[in-house]
Amino acid sequence: QSALTQPASVSGSPGQSITISCTGTNSDVGGHNYVSWYQQYPGKAPKLIIYEVTNRPSGVSNRFSGSKSGNTASLTISGLQAEDEADYYCSSYTSSTTLVFGGGTELTVL
Amino acid sequence: QVQLQESGPGLVKPSQTLSLTCTVSGGSISSAGYYWTWIRQLPGKGLEWIGYIYYSGSTYYNPSLKSRLTISVDTSKNQFYLKLSSVTAADTAVYHCARDVGGFGSFDPWGQGTLVSVSS
Repeated sequence: QSALTQPASVSGSPGQSITISCTGTNSDVGGHNYVSWYQQYPGKAPKLIIYEVTNRPSGVSNRFSGSKSGNTASLTISGLQAEDEADYYCSSYTSSTTLVFGGGTELTVL
Repeated sequence: QVQLQESGPGLVKPSQTLSLTCTVSGGSISSAGYYWTWIRQLPGKGLEWIGYIYYSGSTYYNPSLKSRLTISVDTSKNQFYLKLSSVTAADTAVYHCARDVGGFGSFDPWGQGTLVSVSS
């Protein structure tokens, strides 16, 4: 199984909105509504911030939102804050009853 | 709330078997609907799903690791385990255990992770 494709890095200024893409195939992202997003700070475990494409776990800021179109899922962070600077990973369930992650995106808040 | 903690050797010799334990606290590993998962993060790189197990013992593995991999569970101890055989330097990584809510990739929570280095 191939990793999902994410941009290596994105950046934005405080207050702006940014979007991170996650591209797969019709066997994973495009074939199911089981895309999740994770936020990871250096040296820490990842934290679930979006599940099933659009849902936020309790306690996650509503500045984080998810969407999907075809084989590409997207994470949007609005009202960018310094604390959002972290690595972001997507994951998807696959038709082979496995899970696959994206390569990760480093977000820099300018 | 549920917490997970990995434990095991931090150094394994090439060709040997990597063995890790994940201890679940604050909840039962036998709760329905949860899949107990191993995920690794290679140095400086992204995440890789290793596989998961249901409390009944049903397992699902990453095809690229399947020939070397065993995940098992002990419900009486509230623990699940990872064994990866014939390791090489390419298996050096931080290994995390996590709970998958529903089995479709909603990993929450995660253990803090444990670094396993493969070296002679």
